[in-house]
Amino acid sequence: GAVVSQHPSRVICKSGTSVKIECRSLDFQATTMFWYRQFPKQSLMLMATSNEGSKATYEQGVEKDKFLINHASLTLSTLTVTSAHPEDSSFYICSAATGQGLRGYTFGSGTRLTVV
Amino acid sequence: AQSVTQLDSHVSVSEGTPVLLRCNYSSSYSPSLFWYVQHPNKGLQLLLKYTSAATLVKGINGFEAEFKKSETSFHLTKPSAHMSDAAEYFCVVSAMNRDDKIIFGKGTRLHILP
Repeated sequence: GAVVSQHPSRVICKSGTSVKIECRSLDFQATTMFWYRQFPKQSLMLMATSNEGSKATYEQGVEKDKFLINHASLTLSTLTVTSAHPEDSSFYICSAATGQGLRGYTFGSGTRLTVV
Repeated sequence: AQSVTQLDSHVSVSEGTPVLLRCNYSSSYSPSLFWYVQHPNKGLQLLLKYTSAATLVKGINGFEAEFKKSETSFHLTKPSAHMSDAAEYFCVVSAMNRDDKIIFGKGTRLHILP
């Protein structure tokens, strides 16, 4: 149980275009989801906390107008990278609070974004 | 291929006693290894990381981990548990290859008994 599906796993886009990444909880309702990014050889950086039905809470230094987060249902949160640039190339991963059992959080498989 | 196995889904220790959270990994490339902690309703916090420097890595809040290549292990330890250590802990492996990605362990919930 408690599976999070993240799509796409890899995406290459042109500079200036927008990219949407989806994070779905398959067998549970996730009221809270987290979005992270990771640069090579660095640790994960929390970008924002997404709560169903309300605005996401962004970490300091993360541009909310560039990284649009929508959590319109209890099973889906999306991250849209708007007007992507090469410096946005990174590994993005989501996690969801399961709110049940011994494992409180589960992670998506991640999305490798390359902006050319 | 990479994988991470956290051997215990939950661990309970008494306050003031040592903590051991186990993690084994497999990787075709020289890995970077991380331990993160997640408290309820909070995002991940980095405890420590290994990136091919010293095999004994010291992190925040008194935690440390030792990279043992022969055992493919990266266990997390702390000499004396504190009530505030109660949280979920994730072991993560990352290998910088062409299709580099990070792999999360399933997590270990640490309970601290008074």
